[in-house]
Amino acid sequence: DSGVTQTPKHLITATGQRVTLRCSPRSGDLSVYWYQQSLDQGLQFLIQYYNGEERAKGNILERFSAQQFPDLHSELNLSSLELGDSALYFCASSREGLQETQYFGPGTRLLVL
Amino acid sequence: AQTVTQSQPEMSVQEAETVTLSCTYDTSESDYYLFWYKQPPSRQMILVIRQEAYKQQNATENRFSVNFQKAAKSFSLKISDSQLGDAAMYFCAYRSANNYGQNFVFGPGTRLSVLP
Repeated sequence: DSGVTQTPKHLITATGQRVTLRCSPRSGDLSVYWYQQSLDQGLQFLIQYYNGEERAKGNILERFSAQQFPDLHSELNLSSLELGDSALYFCASSREGLQETQYFGPGTRLLVL
Repeated sequence: AQTVTQSQPEMSVQEAETVTLSCTYDTSESDYYLFWYKQPPSRQMILVIRQEAYKQQNATENRFSVNFQKAAKSFSLKISDSQLGDAAMYFCAYRSANNYGQNFVFGPGTRLSVLP
């Protein structure tokens, strides 16, 4: 158990809908990262937040947005969902500093029908 | 931009034997971190081992060790005394030590099967 929690574990929705994925980092971690893993593919970095502020952006679509709240939990919002958005979405957290290892949550499996 | 390559999409090893997974990367930076993550069928991403580029000594964690060749930009993972529980996807990852805008870059993964 990495100490990072994600809810829900599974999500099934329809095209055009909007969903919110939630992540709680490890105790003491200020950085939260979001990744997308499509079927049988590697992980694509989406976005990073540090202590409530956006720090780095990767291949995140405009239909997707994220935020980190004062209690340090983070939410990833996915809107106008398409079939291709079906994937496993991981959250990871780390301490401050680039030298720190990222620890991953169990992921949320999203299926868009 | 940095890239990470894993040239072996699939590998297999006999239980109790040793296997080496390959990883190469491309970067112009001199300071960075390298990681191996394991993803079993549960899909959880589990850190296996990490290496700091400034360290010449290869990292080891129990049955897992790396062969870090900085000049060749190579970072292979050796698993000794393979166990059935080692069966998983293994991802090599790179992270810049200087650039917050450059986050983890993952390779495409190597699927390892362990044969009884």
